[in-house]
Formats: sequence, C-alpha cells, structure tokens
Amino acid sequence: NAGVTQTPKFQVLKTGQSMTLQCAQDMNHNSMYWYRQDPGMGLRLIYYSASEGTTDKGEVPNGYNVSRLNKREFSLRLESAAPSQTSVYFCASYLTANTEAFFGQGTRLTVV
Amino acid sequence: QKEVEQNSGPLSVPEGAIASLNCTYSDRGSQSFFWYRQYSGKSPELIMSIYSNGDKEDGRFTAQLNKASQYVSLLIRDSQPSDSATYLCAVNTGRRALTFGSGTRLQVQP
Repeated sequence: NAGVTQTPKFQVLKTGQSMTLQCAQDMNHNSMYWYRQDPGMGLRLIYYSASEGTTDKGEVPNGYNVSRLNKREFSLRLESAAPSQTSVYFCASYLTANTEAFFGQGTRLTVV
Repeated sequence: QKEVEQNSGPLSVPEGAIASLNCTYSDRGSQSFFWYRQYSGKSPELIMSIYSNGDKEDGRFTAQLNKASQYVSLLIRDSQPSDSATYLCAVNTGRRALTFGSGTRLQVQP
C-alpha cells in the first residue's frame, strides 16, 4: 500500500522557470492538500481540494496553481518560480475534513 | 495570535524521563486534535489523535485534551533517544484542513 506518493523528491529551479509537483493517493480519500514547510514556520496550507472537482485557496496561495485531475491525483504548479518559494512541499490526503492527514514523502525545492 | 501555538524548544530530557509537550489553540469550535512526529528530513507521521476531553493512552504516549482551556498535550513516558524529533500539534475545526503548530523539538539525552 503506497499511501501518498509525491514526485519529484528534489528539484532545483532557476528564477522564472515553471514546474509541476505531482501527488497521488491510493487510499480512496476525498480530500487532498498541499502544504509548504519552512524553518520555524510549521506547515502552511497552500491549496486544498475537499472533493474531486473542487479546489480552494489556503493560507499562502500566491504564486501557485493546482489541478485536481481525478480522485487520486492533485498537482501543484509554480508558473514562475521565485526564491521565496524555496521550501519543502508536502502533499496530504484526508478521508474527510475532520480526520487525520496522511503525508507524502515531500519535495525539497530550491529556487536559485 | 496564532491559531495553534507550541513552544519551539528544544525540550531536552534525559533518557527514561517523561517528556511533556504542550499546545494551545484559539478556535473554540475545534473538533479533532492530532500529534505528529517529524524526524529531520522526513514527512510528519501520526502518533495520536484525540477527540474528547480527558486522556487517551497508546503505549508510551498519552494525549490530554482540555477543551475549556483550549489546551492539548502529549506525554511521552520512558523517553528514548529515538524519540528525538519535532512534534507537531494539529487541530481541525472540521471546516477545511488541519492547522499545524510550528512544532516543538524534543531532544532525549542518552
């Protein structure tokens, strides 16, 4: 049982480049989320999808876009990367909004 | 005021001692509470969940919830060096997603 799978695990981008972070879950969860984690800041919610076909902004959405491709997959896109987007990105899925989150292994992104 | 607050630490305890980790939250409508452990460079993993006032025990871990005081804690008995990690408190109001505290770094000294 793979759980939540994120790709890639590491990425270095130049300022202005674009990229898409992929996330897939095989737990048949309805809700999927993207967080970023910076030192001393904890996990901050970027975007979430409460169910297939819906997406909503979280706490720090600027500079990002998302696509809920189907129930399993939720991608995060950086259209024009900036150094401030250097962070560790985690995808998570929840059965429902009131239950625990299961996390992917993370993507360490560096923008130079 | 942050929605979920934790002391960043580090909290240092000797091996075999009890480690006490604390968390306060601001939203009185919060319904579910979680403790995650995160090793350096790894993703958070769930340790405990608690939904009602009182204590919940699982092995060496005890979660305590006091909704009136908006306070949730995690006790780790017989602390081991392998418990050294950052512990994240997470709270869910049922509206959207978990809100995380910034974490407390625990160091267990051999």
